Amino acid sequence: DVKVTQSSRYLVKRTGEKVFLECVQDMDHENMFWYRQDPGLGLRLIYFSYDVKMKEKGDIPEGYSVSREKKERFSLILESASTNQTSMYLCASNPGLAGIEQYFGPGTRLTVT
Amino acid sequence: AQRVTQPEKLLSVFKGAPVELKCNYSYSGSPELFWYVQYSRQRLQLLLRHISRESIKGFTADLNKGETSFHLKKPFAQEEDSAMYYCALSALGNYQLIWGAGTKLIIKP
Repeated sequence: DVKVTQSSRYLVKRTGEKVFLECVQDMDHENMFWYRQDPGLGLRLIYFSYDVKMKEKGDIPEGYSVSREKKERFSLILESASTNQTSMYLCASNPGLAGIEQYFGPGTRLTVT
Repeated sequence: AQRVTQPEKLLSVFKGAPVELKCNYSYSGSPELFWYVQYSRQRLQLLLRHISRESIKGFTADLNKGETSFHLKKPFAQEEDSAMYYCALSALGNYQLIWGAGTKLIIKP
């Protein structure tokens, strides 16, 4: 079974703080993704990575950065958290083939106060 | 532009009634289409994909290229079908998925 884990299930941070969300997958997948999930907006891609140290911006990268130093780990960084970044963050991975199922982590519910 | 539209944010039906969750897409090529489901407090997971032509948990979905639709259907809804459903599209050669906004399905007893 593919296992995608995220470091925190719930997180509360203050405005202006630097926030790190960690994602780890154990299936040697090339691709990893970070999404925001908001009611009525579906899933919006923030960044994805197709290899170690390789990344591409998704639809809403502003205010976020990512790091992929090891194949199994993909980190999402909020440089200076703002209240409009309060959301559910989902990490996903899949093998390096187009049109293949994405496997999701349980999500991190981030609240910025 | 590639787009996936799920016109219903919320769909509520009685147990035993038929269910149809609508998905329309905009893409000029041959898409790969998926339905994902998220049950309460569980992670998002694949329900089915059009290429496999399977029936999963009684659900089926047929790709209609003429109408650019991929509606999800089940003849007799069960209470455990209550969940959030997302339709997604993968364009040829693209790692990314284009997601619909999702439909919340509520099955009333």
